[in-house]
Amino acid sequence: GESVGLHLPTLSVQEGDNSIINCAYSNSASDYFIWYKQESGKGPQFIIDIRSNMDKRQGQRVTVLLNKTVKHLSLQIAATQPGDSAVYFCADLRGDLGSSNTGKLIFGQGTTLQVKP
Amino acid sequence: GAGVSQSPSNKVTEKGKDVELRCDPISGHTALYWYRQSLGQGLEFLIYFQGNSAPDKSGLPSDRFSAERTGGSVSTLTIQRTQQEDSAVYLCASSSQGSGPQHFGDGTRLSIL
Repeated sequence: GESVGLHLPTLSVQEGDNSIINCAYSNSASDYFIWYKQESGKGPQFIIDIRSNMDKRQGQRVTVLLNKTVKHLSLQIAATQPGDSAVYFCADLRGDLGSSNTGKLIFGQGTTLQVKP
Repeated sequence: GAGVSQSPSNKVTEKGKDVELRCDPISGHTALYWYRQSLGQGLEFLIYFQGNSAPDKSGLPSDRFSAERTGGSVSTLTIQRTQQEDSAVYLCASSSQGSGPQHFGDGTRLSIL
């Protein structure tokens, strides 16, 4: 079936370094992707989104890159800080080929980002 | 409030009991979603309401699960005859339109003894 997944369950980086979190998707019809950050005991927090008509989108300290050819999505965090430690999820709005654009999100399993001081 | 509000934040109940979980979406958001997150896992879609349209119930795992949204605002997720496998965090989200970014509450942690 269609799925969205992350390459690594855990990523450990040094404070101040750049972080790159990867995600692969299998639905070639996917046209909207979102990255979320989830801290312990809290709900997912929206970070950044991108539509399939774009290759790159930048926010504050974060950049999302979309490669439709290989169906790959990445989240880059510049100058990683201890407050960035969390689980990061990518999600696809059109993860289910059987549905029209109903708005439901299909989530990957998450990557835990650990920032070492 | 400014964000999505869910209550209760924690619920412990005995197997076989019914539970009701409440979600107050962001004011003005027309779309409301329920997801479930098991320990250490990603989120699993349950049900989606958009305006006055019929809800998308395709993610509900069994007929013990139901949800309603009254007056286009507050939503209640009901689980009847709870089972231990229902233990999870139940998350609610809302968005200003069907395909906009979804904003989540902090969830209800449900534990079935």
